[in-house]
Amino acid sequence: GAVVSQHPSRVICKSGTSVKIECRSLDFQATTMFWYRQFPKQSLMLMATSNEGSKATYEQGVEKDKFLINHASLTLSTLTVTSAHPEDSSFYICSALSGTSSYNEQFFGPGTRLTVL
Amino acid sequence: EDKVVQSPLSLVVHEGDTVTLNCSYEVTNFRSLLWYKQEKKAPTFLFMLTSSGIEKKSGRLSSILDKKELFSILNITATQTGDSAVYLCAVLTSGSRLTFGEGTQLTVNP
Repeated sequence: GAVVSQHPSRVICKSGTSVKIECRSLDFQATTMFWYRQFPKQSLMLMATSNEGSKATYEQGVEKDKFLINHASLTLSTLTVTSAHPEDSSFYICSALSGTSSYNEQFFGPGTRLTVL
Repeated sequence: EDKVVQSPLSLVVHEGDTVTLNCSYEVTNFRSLLWYKQEKKAPTFLFMLTSSGIEKKSGRLSSILDKKELFSILNITATQTGDSAVYLCAVLTSGSRLTFGEGTQLTVNP
């Protein structure tokens, strides 16, 4: 199956700093990528839909100025958590939509665990 | 608002038992229902169901969808300790949007 990578896999930062997370589709082009957040013992919550070359679409309640998304190429989307605070600590997962799949399957990255001290 | 509800939220069984996990949904523009297994990292894909009444099977796992009752089940027979994980149900709607349920935490004891 298609492979999606995320970097870093784990990050610990101080409150007030910004953190960038990369999501790459390694062997396919993804016109659409999704960013999810998962708090402990909870399910994945969609944060935003990222389309290559255009502005991301954010879900209700997600601050676009705090969670900056850039999808500059067909294989890379980045999520920047600006001025991170302890409540932003979570597991962030991206997925990429394979444009060649007849089922429009989403392939998930391995996730990034963010801890804000 | 799209909604996906899974039950039970937590289940503890012994190796060899059979389990049934439930997923109900209320969404607009339904396209498919998907099941995932999540261990410590991101979810791994199990099944995608689009049509009612057609059972999908992979080894000891099987799943079926009822689009009239807006319901799906995931069955695992002869459970093994390696089946311990969170099982997530998600519904795909228009725009390739996935809405996830809360998940069922399955623990299989030896």
